[in-house]
Amino acid sequence: GNSVTQMEGPVTLSEEAFLTINCTYTATGYPSLFWYVQYPGEGLQLLLKATKADDKGSNKGFEATYRKETTSFHLEKGSVQVSDSAVYFCALISGATNKLIFGTGTLLAVQP
Amino acid sequence: DTAVSQTPKYLVTQMGNDKSIKCEQNLGHDTMYWYKQDSKKFLKIMFSYNNKELIINETVPNRFSPKSPDKAHLNLHINSLELGDSAVYFCASSQVGGSSGANVLTFGAGSRLTVL
Repeated sequence: GNSVTQMEGPVTLSEEAFLTINCTYTATGYPSLFWYVQYPGEGLQLLLKATKADDKGSNKGFEATYRKETTSFHLEKGSVQVSDSAVYFCALISGATNKLIFGTGTLLAVQP
Repeated sequence: DTAVSQTPKYLVTQMGNDKSIKCEQNLGHDTMYWYKQDSKKFLKIMFSYNNKELIINETVPNRFSPKSPDKAHLNLHINSLELGDSAVYFCASSQVGGSSGANVLTFGAGSRLTVL
């Protein structure tokens, strides 16, 4: 079945550090890939997405590239801020199921 | 102007009770969902409705019954609540086949259910 695996957290960084959160997936066909973010006490918000191989999604300084050869969609940001502290979820939708499947989430804590 | 709104935001109740969580979206989307987030933040889909028809029904106990009176509303009713039902329940909506080319879900703020 379809699944998403992302790195365990928590990830603790100092402000302005470089961020990478790894995400790999297993899916039949050609899934669409997403990163959602959940700030404390809030619902999930779409951060970025990519719908086909080699697409790069980007938003708010975050980027992720759809790599079909490595079945990966790693999230990166060059310089994190305290306000980026949140839980980040990698997710996919594959085929005609319209079922958004999430990874386990990675808690990011950015310290001043 | 909330796009997906859920009520109540917090719900504390005793084991064995029956409770409902309501969800409404004003985005004109044709598909709505319920997700459950456990204490470890893991998110799992429970149900999905497309134009009031059930299209996804995961292995959820039949104590959980979704109801969609119209495509803008999807309510979740839970009978005979158990301790393990304590979680945050998220409603979401999407427009399948939207112009973005991907099925992007918009989530509500969540309803935290605590069963004592």
